[in-house]
Amino acid sequence: GIQVEQSPPDLILQEGANSTLRCNFSDSVNNLQWFHQNPWGQLINLFYIPSGTKQNGRLSATTVATERYSLLYISSSQTTDSGVYFCAVLAHRNTGGFKTIFGAGTRLFVKA
Amino acid sequence: EAQVTQNPRYLITVTGKKLTVTCSQNMNHEYMSWYRQDPGLGLRQIYYSMNVEVTDKGDVPEGYKVSRKEKRNFPLILESPSPNQTSLYFCASSVSTGEQYFGPGTRLTVT
Repeated sequence: GIQVEQSPPDLILQEGANSTLRCNFSDSVNNLQWFHQNPWGQLINLFYIPSGTKQNGRLSATTVATERYSLLYISSSQTTDSGVYFCAVLAHRNTGGFKTIFGAGTRLFVKA
Repeated sequence: EAQVTQNPRYLITVTGKKLTVTCSQNMNHEYMSWYRQDPGLGLRQIYYSMNVEVTDKGDVPEGYKVSRKEKRNFPLILESPSPNQTSLYFCASSVSTGEQYFGPGTRLTVT
């Protein structure tokens, strides 16, 4: 099945710093999402980005589908950015359904 | 507002006492699924539904039941909960293979 690997596993930033999170996947995909899981456990949709580049405020993401990776950029980090960032791709089942496969996540802590 | 809702958000129960976690979406999505999240194991799919009256097992279906009588609702039923079902549960919906939307999660503790 498809493997999703994220790096780095842990990241500590000083408030105001920039960072890049990486997601590698082992097979071609037509669906890729980035989520932020906040300290309360909620999964927040950041980007739906099977290919190309998108920006939303201080966050942006780029997926290069042909090279099987995606990057999430966080600029001018804030303490509220702390949490776990997941990359997730869709895998089809033989029965016709599908499931979302999550990477292990990058745990980010932003210090004030 | 487009959203997926789950109830209850927190639940502490005892072994063997049947419970239902409700999930509802207002986006007219065909596809809905349930996941559980456990430390070190990540998120794993329990059951999914491709449309009304069409459900199938995910990766960890043992001990769970689901039903899809209406397009908007996809309840998760634990007939006889056990401590190993203590977990954080998420419901999700989407239009086919499009963007997945997740509910806020339900923290379940079975003692």
